[in-house]
Amino acid sequence: DIQMTQSPSSVSASVGDRVTITCRASQGIGTWLAWHQQKPGKAPKLLIYAASSLQTGVPSRFSGSGSGADFTLTISSLQPEDFATYYCQQANSFPFTFGPGTKVDIK
Amino acid sequence: EEQLVESGGGLVQPGGSLRLSCAASGFTFSNYWMNWVRQAPGKGLEWVANINQDGSEKYYVDSVKGRFTISRDNAKKSLFLQMNSLRADDTAAYYCARGGTTGNWVAFWGQGTLVTVS
Repeated sequence: DIQMTQSPSSVSASVGDRVTITCRASQGIGTWLAWHQQKPGKAPKLLIYAASSLQTGVPSRFSGSGSGADFTLTISSLQPEDFATYYCQQANSFPFTFGPGTKVDIK
Repeated sequence: EEQLVESGGGLVQPGGSLRLSCAASGFTFSNYWMNWVRQAPGKGLEWVANINQDGSEKYYVDSVKGRFTISRDNAKKSLFLQMNSLRADDTAAYYCARGGTTGNWVAFWGQGTLVTVS
């Protein structure tokens, strides 16, 4: 199975900050990677697919990059509604796996 | 508007069974892979199973193999998860989720249904 790791596990940031989250796969997955956002008590929501494609309706301050085993999610200017937990997910091979999550909270 | 509505969750004793359902609307259900993903209280996301468009391919995480069965009814636009031999560590919110258009990532999520094994 492909193991996904994320760093940091949590980050404290202020509105307007640039935030970068890293996701690493235990083996190469091409660009078969998605990023999801989850707010407390809510279902997750897809932000980025194919490593760098922005899901329809997602603000352009979110961006994704990477290929192979190393990926990043960047929020260019953090907004109040962005405080949430972010998960990466590989869709290269079964079983699909998620990273452990990165919690972004208010500094 | 695209929608996934799960039902069938509840409290069940260890060793018991439960069948989850997911009703889809707002998109062509038969065109997509469908997934079940779960989240234990206070924990991260765990992919459980998925099924291809015509039900001929099914994949499971190791921890549920032989106990859970995923199925679908395209005519009724519904996804199912039959869960047998339930254990305490199966306690979680279970999300129905649609696959993507260009890849099999989870692209759209339902609101979830809570399963408690105790």
